[in-house]
Amino acid sequence: GENVEQHPSTLSVQEGDSAVIKCTYSDSASNYFPWYKQELGKRPQLIIDIRSNVGEKKDQRIAVTLNKTAKHFSLHITETQPEDSAVYFCAARSSYNTDKLIFGTGTRLQVFP
Amino acid sequence: SAVISQKPSRDICQRGTSLTIQCQVDSQVTMMFWYRQQPGQSLTLIATANQGSEATYESGFVIDKFPISRPNLTFSTLTVSNMSPEDSSIYLCSVGQDIQGPQHFGDGTRLSIL
Repeated sequence: GENVEQHPSTLSVQEGDSAVIKCTYSDSASNYFPWYKQELGKRPQLIIDIRSNVGEKKDQRIAVTLNKTAKHFSLHITETQPEDSAVYFCAARSSYNTDKLIFGTGTRLQVFP
Repeated sequence: SAVISQKPSRDICQRGTSLTIQCQVDSQVTMMFWYRQQPGQSLTLIATANQGSEATYESGFVIDKFPISRPNLTFSTLTVSNMSPEDSSIYLCSVGQDIQGPQHFGDGTRLSIL
């Protein structure tokens, strides 16, 4: 079945710097890749997603890139702000098991002012 | 996206008892899921709640322990049965408008078992 690995587990950056979180997946049939942000004590919130027919997607300061050949995708946050501090989860969904998301282990991002 | 209401938001329960968690959506959704998130951990899918039929459970989760109902396209319940301290966790409902679309989470139920 699908397996999603996420790195790093923790990431500390200075305000204004960029942050990059990487995920790899095992199932070559995966075709949908969302990213969730979870602040302490709150629900996971979908912040951006990408489908396998697209290589990159941007939304203001966040972007996601997908490399289907290498089976990895990355979240990029530019001009980080303290409000970006949270745990970020990547996920993948296979075209065979189209109802299930498999989540990565999470990255705790800390942005220092 | 749909507004997802989950009840209760938290509870403290005695060992051996059962608790039913409710998930209500303000619009009809095709997909409803139940996840568990242990402290500091990722999200683990318990089961897919199927409308009008038995839920589809993931490996390691069984119906006797986590019975699920989904009587219609806007409502589902998850029961945590015969609770033990190991069941202390956050339980989250997630919904998707369609099988290919994004999923969104409710606020979760923080459950502590004494």
